[in-house]
Amino acid sequence: QQQVKQSPQSLIVQKGGISIINCAYENTAFDYFPWYQQFPGKGPALLIAIRPDVSEKKEGRFTISFNKSAKQFSLHIMDSQPGDSATYFCAASPQGTSGTYKYIFGTGTRLKVLA
Amino acid sequence: NAGVTQTPKFRVLKTGQSMTLLCAQDMNHEYMYWYRQDPGMGLRLIHYSVGEGTTAKGEVPDGYNVSRLKKQNFLLGLESAAPSQTSVYFCASSYSRYRGRGAPLHFGNGTRLTVT
Repeated sequence: QQQVKQSPQSLIVQKGGISIINCAYENTAFDYFPWYQQFPGKGPALLIAIRPDVSEKKEGRFTISFNKSAKQFSLHIMDSQPGDSATYFCAASPQGTSGTYKYIFGTGTRLKVLA
Repeated sequence: NAGVTQTPKFRVLKTGQSMTLLCAQDMNHEYMYWYRQDPGMGLRLIHYSVGEGTTAKGEVPDGYNVSRLKKQNFLLGLESAAPSQTSVYFCASSYSRYRGRGAPLHFGNGTRLTVT
């Protein structure tokens, strides 16, 4: 079974601090790595995504770092705010025309940002 | 645009009862999915559909059936509910590919199901 291993399971950060969530994958055929953000009572929503041909992607306070050789990618939230408190899921999608429905999700990280 | 709409939002079933969860999307997406979310387990794919009239099994299909009679709707059925099916169920939809790579999933807000 293909896996995406996510850590930590939970994270508490002070307001203004940096939140870092890590994911590692096994299948080298993955070609799309999104992060989803989920607030209580809501469905996950796409936050930011990266392709393996770049090592970093930044959108506002959110940055994905990608290490293809180590098969790892991470989400960095700069200047973390209480409104960032949510559960974050990493995911990976394989290459090929049949890929999209084989998304593999990490187990999630519950982030709490203290005011 | 409403996006992905799931009904009902909450449901309590007794063991052995049946029910159908409804999912509708208005984005003309080809693909639709049903996931279940359990604490510490992430999102696990139950069934998916790559087009009207087609369905396929995902990672945890046992005890569930699906149908996609119309492109915009994807139904998830539980024929004989069991306590192990207590979970939060999410429907999602997506294009088949986007710019040649994986396409973002658009999720509904979930159905919280309790089986007693």
